[in-house]
Amino acid sequence: AQSVTQPDIHITVSEGASLELRCNYSYGATPYLFWYVQSPGQGLQLLLKYFSGDTLVQGIKGFEAEFKRSQSSFNLRKPSVHWSDAAEYFCAVGSPFGGSQGNLIFGKGTKLSVKP
Amino acid sequence: DAGVTQSPTHLIKTRGQQVTLRCSPISGHKSVSWYQQVLGQGPQFIFQYYEKEERGRGNFPDRFSARQFPNYSSELNVNALLLGDSALYLCASSMDRYYGYTFGSGTRLTVV
Repeated sequence: AQSVTQPDIHITVSEGASLELRCNYSYGATPYLFWYVQSPGQGLQLLLKYFSGDTLVQGIKGFEAEFKRSQSSFNLRKPSVHWSDAAEYFCAVGSPFGGSQGNLIFGKGTKLSVKP
Repeated sequence: DAGVTQSPTHLIKTRGQQVTLRCSPISGHKSVSWYQQVLGQGPQFIFQYYEKEERGRGNFPDRFSARQFPNYSSELNVNALLLGDSALYLCASSMDRYYGYTFGSGTRLTVV
């Protein structure tokens, strides 16, 4: 079955420290991969996406993610976290084929807290 | 530029009632998808419409229905509401999947 696993429910980091959020997926082929961020009571904002090509993807707000096919992973990283990064982060996969374009499968999310 | 707009932002309904949620996509976006996000979980896909045709349906009962209008706006209808339908309902629009999906801020539905 297709699924996305975010093993860490809650992570706390100090401001200025580096961050890595983990994402593993199960899919029949290499899917399209996304990271979204959600602030409390808000919708989802797209941080970055991977379709093909360079496995290191740059996104907004200083985030990057690395696709590792052998590990079925798409981990999100940031070298120096800011207090405003505190939010919930969702990894999602989408079909690389035709048909249902909007069918994203989301992980359960990782809540990020930032210590001053 | 206006993003994806959803209305209403909050809604309280009684069990057994019916509700209609509305979504206006970004100008130029022809695809609209609906997701349900229960507290503490990731969003779950409900429907996707492209050029006014249903292109995908998630694992939701027939009480859930949707449609897309000629101007690409969309409505999500839920009949015979259950307590378990309480959730944040998110709408997302895109030009096509290569550009990713832009989400609205959602409609918070509470069923009492």
